[in-house]
Amino acid sequence: EPEVTQTPSHQVTQMGQEVILRCVPISNHLYFYWYRQILGQKVEFLVSFYNNEISEKSEIFDDQFSVERPDGSNFTLKIRSTKLEDSAMYFCASSEVTGLVDNEQFFGPGTRLTVL
Amino acid sequence: DAKTTQPPSMDCAEGRAANLPCNHSTISGNEYVYWYRQIHSQGPQYIIHGLKNNETNEMASLIITEDRKSSTLILPHATLRDTAVYYCIVGGFQGAQKLVFGQGTRLTINP
Repeated sequence: EPEVTQTPSHQVTQMGQEVILRCVPISNHLYFYWYRQILGQKVEFLVSFYNNEISEKSEIFDDQFSVERPDGSNFTLKIRSTKLEDSAMYFCASSEVTGLVDNEQFFGPGTRLTVL
Repeated sequence: DAKTTQPPSMDCAEGRAANLPCNHSTISGNEYVYWYRQIHSQGPQYIIHGLKNNETNEMASLIITEDRKSSTLILPHATLRDTAVYYCIVGGFQGAQKLVFGQGTRLTINP
């Protein structure tokens, strides 16, 4: 069964450093998403991406964040200068483009980001 | 975004049906009801969705009231592996639709 993969599973970085979180969505999916979950809190939407541009972003997704689809398979989230409060689990998700009623999003296993 | 209300926690005995309620009284006419679950710290997993008719798949059944202001997710024969946080989410059905997660219901299946 196809699945969304994410690397690394755990990333430890120093405050102020740049990090890139990587995701490989399901191959025939064209909608991509990033969510995050701070420990003990709810899952929060960050950004959605379609046709090589951002469809929607939340207030969390400020100028420190960027997304990119550098090739035909990867989808990345970059945080330019990490802050302590960026420590969280980051989930990538993807969904199909379909004219039918279906917005099932498939989530990856997540990357745990720890900012020291 | 329509808001949902779910009980924070529920318990169910293994092998019994787990019935998880959700209130979504502000749902609009073209919004669907989605259920996802999150086992421990894994990525959320889609379970089922519906508009106004009852739906069933291999995982669960979804019962939506006629006025669409509430719904119930039914896990017919709960197992220990169904212990998770269950999220009821309302939203659109096409395009890059963000999922707005609430706190969900922490369902514990007891042996």
